Amino acid sequence: EAQVTQNPRYLITVTGKKLTVTCSQNMNHEYMSWYRQDPGLGLRQIYYSMNVEVTDKGDVPEGYKVSRKEKRNFPLILESPSPNQTSLYFCASSYLGQSTGELFFGEGSRLTVL
Amino acid sequence: AQTVTQSQPEMSVQEAETVTLSCTYDTSESDYYLFWYKQPPSRQMILVIRQEAYKQQNATENRFSVNFQKAAKSFSLKISDSQLGDAAMYFCAYRTFTGNQFYFGTGTSLTVIP
Repeated sequence: EAQVTQNPRYLITVTGKKLTVTCSQNMNHEYMSWYRQDPGLGLRQIYYSMNVEVTDKGDVPEGYKVSRKEKRNFPLILESPSPNQTSLYFCASSYLGQSTGELFFGEGSRLTVL
Repeated sequence: AQTVTQSQPEMSVQEAETVTLSCTYDTSESDYYLFWYKQPPSRQMILVIRQEAYKQQNATENRFSVNFQKAAKSFSLKISDSQLGDAAMYFCAYRTFTGNQFYFGTGTSLTVIP
């Protein structure tokens, strides 16, 4: 089954404790990206990757890191989480090129930073 | 950066009736992609419909259709014969032609009244 898998789905942590949200896709997509969803703000892009070892900032990259060492994986790293990073996070992937470029989303990760 | 505006935070519709959700966007590109995504209470992001800016014909998917007005930078979603399962948050999204960035609106919460 084609899917984007992200873990954990739910996490409560404390300020400053490093955490990683993993994301994996099995569709051989070149493009992967991370979003955060906050009430009244919609989804905002954090980072994206056009291919292995190619990453770039989205609209809200502060406080986050990513890496793309393998095509299928795109983890999101919070080195020192703060309460303003409490949010719902989505990983997504898509083809590039001639396709219509729809995003395939993971199921979301609800993060609470105390 | 492109912006996507959904001016209706909440909408309601009677079951079996028709409702139109509005979306406008700002861009200087001539080619791009537009999408409507549905987010039910499960939080899963589900693609409803897509539109390529170079196509003049409005996209249709069963009960869902769009009114794409390129000059006006408008991309509204019409849901016909509304069903209880259509109740969800709906997001309008814009993808740049190069495919690297996505921009989402703030969403419209649709209630379907039995």
